[in-house]
Amino acid sequence: NAGVTQTPKFQVLKTGQSMTLQCAQDMNHEYMSWYRQDPGMGLRLIHYSVGAGITDQGEVPNGYNVSRSTTEDFPLRLLSAAPSQTSVYFCASSPGWGSKGNEQFFGPGTRLTVL
Amino acid sequence: AQSVSQHNHHVILSEAASLELGCNYSYGGTVNLFWYVQYPGQHLQLLLKYFSGDPLVKGIKGFEAEFIKSKFSFNLRKPSVQWSDTAEYFCAVKSTGTASKLTFGTGTRLQVTL
Repeated sequence: NAGVTQTPKFQVLKTGQSMTLQCAQDMNHEYMSWYRQDPGMGLRLIHYSVGAGITDQGEVPNGYNVSRSTTEDFPLRLLSAAPSQTSVYFCASSPGWGSKGNEQFFGPGTRLTVL
Repeated sequence: AQSVSQHNHHVILSEAASLELGCNYSYGGTVNLFWYVQYPGQHLQLLLKYFSGDPLVKGIKGFEAEFIKSKFSFNLRKPSVQWSDTAEYFCAVKSTGTASKLTFGTGTRLQVTL
């Protein structure tokens, strides 16, 4: 299994540009999520999905959109990039809701810089 | 809402020293607890987890953590650190019975010197 994969690894955008960060998992996990990591702030949840067709907002959803058309893929869209969105973005997945399903597996991250 | 506090932001230790990193959470119900490690330039990896049962949990690479319910704590320990333990450590909590949302602490950067 490849686990959780993310593309691209690095991206530089100009303010106002849009882009999509890709995330895919091959473990048939129901639950997927997006976090952003900023110095001194840990990881903050942006959006999550508990299954195909179901998404919900996390702690810091503004400026981001998600969709979940398949179990495997969970792309994150930046509609109009702002410098405040400069961060490292991690995608994660877990088997489901139960106690054994609470362990999350993380992708390698995407480092995004918005100028 | 649940929250996690990691009071040590930056810890510097010499090799072979003992390690204890603090983690406190706030939530009134049943929780699952995790410690993740992020080595320089890498993604997060699970060190250990507590779901139920024995409150002393052993993880990979000689790490362990003790869940003390009365203190809402889940401190990470290692008797003797190595230079390769240099990394950032994140405590995380998830309340049971709800959608799987993890809440992370702000992290502790551990630097081990030779």
